[in-house]
Amino acid sequence: AQSVAQPEDQVNVAEGNPLTVKCTYSVSGNPYLFWYVQYPNRGLQFLLKYITGDNLVKGSYGFEAEFNKSQTSFHLKKPSALVSDSALYFCAVRDRGGTDSWGKLQFGAGTQVVVTP
Amino acid sequence: GAGVSQSPSNKVTEKGKDVELRCDPISGHTALYWYRQSLGQGLEFLIYFQGNSAPDKSGLPSDRFSAERTGGSVSTLTIQRTQQEDSAVYLCASSKGLMGNEQFFGPGTRLTVL
Repeated sequence: AQSVAQPEDQVNVAEGNPLTVKCTYSVSGNPYLFWYVQYPNRGLQFLLKYITGDNLVKGSYGFEAEFNKSQTSFHLKKPSALVSDSALYFCAVRDRGGTDSWGKLQFGAGTQVVVTP
Repeated sequence: GAGVSQSPSNKVTEKGKDVELRCDPISGHTALYWYRQSLGQGLEFLIYFQGNSAPDKSGLPSDRFSAERTGGSVSTLTIQRTQQEDSAVYLCASSKGLMGNEQFFGPGTRLTVL
């Protein structure tokens, strides 16, 4: 079975400071990992994904994430947060070694990011 | 199309009525997914299609929920005899394929059952 945990319901950060949103996962095989962002009253937008290769993945809007296999983590980071980054962030995992034929995408519960001016 | 579209954007219905929600995926995307997002909650997987077939219906909450996809494109999610607990935002997504491909989401349909 696969699962993903986002241990923080909310992250508060001042504009200009570094932003980190935590994500840990559990899969039976190797993971595909994704981050999505949801702005108020809008659908989810894809930010970045880890498939294979370099553990540091760069995505949209200046975000990046580091895949750490030993810690089973995929934390989302941004060096300097903007007020416009305030949104709901979801981590998702898919087990490429899973027994089902399509690899269900499992979402975390989400982390609300609040960036204050 | 340019993105995933869903209609209607908002639907208010009375308890016991049937509703149909529509999803138009990105052209060429073979996989289509339905999720439900209740207020303050994460995403609950409902069903997915690969082409016109739905191999995994395990996420449908009850037999009042059904979905179909025709022509490998448009999908409809039907909820019969709606209940108040069905109130949520229903999100549709599509992807080029499965596994390592990211899903592109529509804006959702907000369903309110009175």
